[in-house]
Amino acid sequence: DAGITQSPRHKVTETGTPVTLRCHQTENHRYMYWYRQDPGHGLRLIHYSYGVKDTDKGEVSDGYSVSRSKTEDFLLTLESATSSQTSVYFCAIRPGQGTGELFFGEGSRLTVL
Amino acid sequence: QKEVEQNSGPLSVPEGAIASLNCTYSDRGSQSFFWYRQYSGKSPELIMSIYSNGDKEDGRFTAQLNKASQYVSLLIRDSQPSDSATYLCAVNEGSGTYKYIFGTGTRLKVLA
Repeated sequence: DAGITQSPRHKVTETGTPVTLRCHQTENHRYMYWYRQDPGHGLRLIHYSYGVKDTDKGEVSDGYSVSRSKTEDFLLTLESATSSQTSVYFCAIRPGQGTGELFFGEGSRLTVL
Repeated sequence: QKEVEQNSGPLSVPEGAIASLNCTYSDRGSQSFFWYRQYSGKSPELIMSIYSNGDKEDGRFTAQLNKASQYVSLLIRDSQPSDSATYLCAVNEGSGTYKYIFGTGTRLKVLA
């Protein structure tokens, strides 16, 4: 158990509404990641964080923003959700003392109608 | 565009056989390589990591790395129906950014 909690686990929303997904970790790991997973595309990196207030974009960052005001929480925000953002979102952490492996949360399934 | 390529499958093997899963990657600077197993509706679970050329064994799993050919593979010996899942190959970007690129996965079906 990597001590990662994602919330909400399931959400249905309408186009144009804001959505925030939360990733919470209990181990004070420095590196946290948000991926989305879609059929035929695999896991694609949205944003990642390498410390409090330190974030960087991934390959599919358009339409998403992130914030990390404290070590344990990494928030992913869709400012105005679109149907193309219907997906399963996974948070991951990279333990600092490990050898580079990522460990994933249970995922958040988002449906944008 | 840095890429990780996997055959999507499904790869079907009989119970007890060896399953061989393959992955190629484009970034010559990649130094860390990982295999994840993902059951339907679940999150990816780390199986193996490998960092140097050659073989690395862990129980029924063997990861093989050939950096010159930019090729990494996973062998599953004595395959069981419970091994039926999608296997994801992941590599780190060699730029020191701590980014990871995933393949689209190979679906494995072990037939009882």
